[in-house]
Amino acid sequence: GDSVTQMEGPVTLSEEAFLTINCTYTATGYPSLFWYVQYPGEGLQLLLKATKADDKGSNKGFEATYRKETTSFHLEKGSVQVSDSAVYFCALGGRGTGNQFYFGTGTSLTVIP
Amino acid sequence: NAGVTQTPKFRVLKTGQSMTLLCAQDMNHEYMYWYRQDPGMGLRLIHYSVGEGTTAKGEVPDGYNVSRLKKQNFLLGLESAAPSQTSVYFCASNGQGSYYGYTFGSGTRLTVV
Repeated sequence: GDSVTQMEGPVTLSEEAFLTINCTYTATGYPSLFWYVQYPGEGLQLLLKATKADDKGSNKGFEATYRKETTSFHLEKGSVQVSDSAVYFCALGGRGTGNQFYFGTGTSLTVIP
Repeated sequence: NAGVTQTPKFRVLKTGQSMTLLCAQDMNHEYMYWYRQDPGMGLRLIHYSVGEGTTAKGEVPDGYNVSRLKKQNFLLGLESAAPSQTSVYFCASNGQGSYYGYTFGSGTRLTVV
């Protein structure tokens, strides 16, 4: 069945460091892929998405490229800030009759000044 | 633009008590979902609905019931709460297709003692 495997955390980085959070998926066909972010005490918010192979999603300095050949959708940011501290979830979506999404287990990121 | 509103935000129940969590969306979305979030396990789908009057089981439906009598509302019920149901519950909604992703509520933190 469909699933998402996400890099385990927690991840701690210094401000301005480079961030990579790995995400791979298992699915038939060409699912849409998403990254969501969850700030403390809040719900998940859509960060970026890609709907077909080789698409690059980007938002707020974050980027992820849909790689069909490696079934991956790794999240990157060139220079993290303290305000990026949050939990990040990779997801694949729009599956089945319920248009269901499948989420990874989340990666906690803490950025220290 | 309220989006998805969940009530209540916090609740403490005694084992065996019942309660209902309410989710309301104002985006005219067809699809609605209830997830639970537990440490190290990401988000797991409890039940979902593909339209008014419909419901379907997700990954972890046992101990929960749902109803969608009106398109904008999706209720999650716990008939006899158990400590294993201590969790953070998120409601989400989605329009037709996966292009826009889910819109999440801010969550309900439930503790069963």
